[in-house]
Amino acid sequence: GAVVSQHPSWVICKSGTSVKIECRSLDFQATTMFWYRQFPKQSLMLMATSNEGSKATYEQGVEKDKFLINHASLTLSTLTVTSAHPEDSSFYICSASRRNTNYGYTFGSGTRLTVV
Amino acid sequence: EDKVVQSPLSLVVHEGDTVTLNCSYEVTNFRSLLWYKQEKKAPTFLFMLTSSGIEKKSGRLSSILDKKELSSILNITATQTGDSAIYLCAGYVNRDDKIIFGKGTRLHILP
Repeated sequence: GAVVSQHPSWVICKSGTSVKIECRSLDFQATTMFWYRQFPKQSLMLMATSNEGSKATYEQGVEKDKFLINHASLTLSTLTVTSAHPEDSSFYICSASRRNTNYGYTFGSGTRLTVV
Repeated sequence: EDKVVQSPLSLVVHEGDTVTLNCSYEVTNFRSLLWYKQEKKAPTFLFMLTSSGIEKKSGRLSSILDKKELSSILNITATQTGDSAIYLCAGYVNRDDKIIFGKGTRLHILP
């Protein structure tokens, strides 16, 4: 159990276009999902906390108008990178917390975004 | 500001060696400390440590938390090439239900 599906796994887009990344919890309800960004050879940087039915909470330095997060249901959160630029190229990972005995987080498989 | 610091940042050892990875944390409303292994894509969960001084083991991996020193170690004995990965330590913030990652230790096991 506790599977998180992230789609697409990779995407290439042109500068100026927008890209949507989906994160779904397949077998549990995730009231909270998290979005991370990872640069090459660096750690995961928390971008925002996505709460079902309310506005996302963004970490300091993350542009909320650029990285639009929607958490419309208990099993789906989306991250839209708007007006993408080459510097937005990165690895984006979502995760969902499930309150089980381990309190571990389940991560999606990540999305490699390349903006050309 | 909450932060998690890992050391060393990178480590190269020979197969069969034992390694110890370090993690220190300064996290308000600390709840627990998490260890993850990241290979090609998303991190995979290794341990969650909540109580100080209690060792958790999984095969050749073990970890322990020291709340007095605000630190944790991850030990890997009899290392294998398949242990090569980035090992991430994270502090779990109780208030916000979020986790703060360290920069990771890049471990490379030579055959």
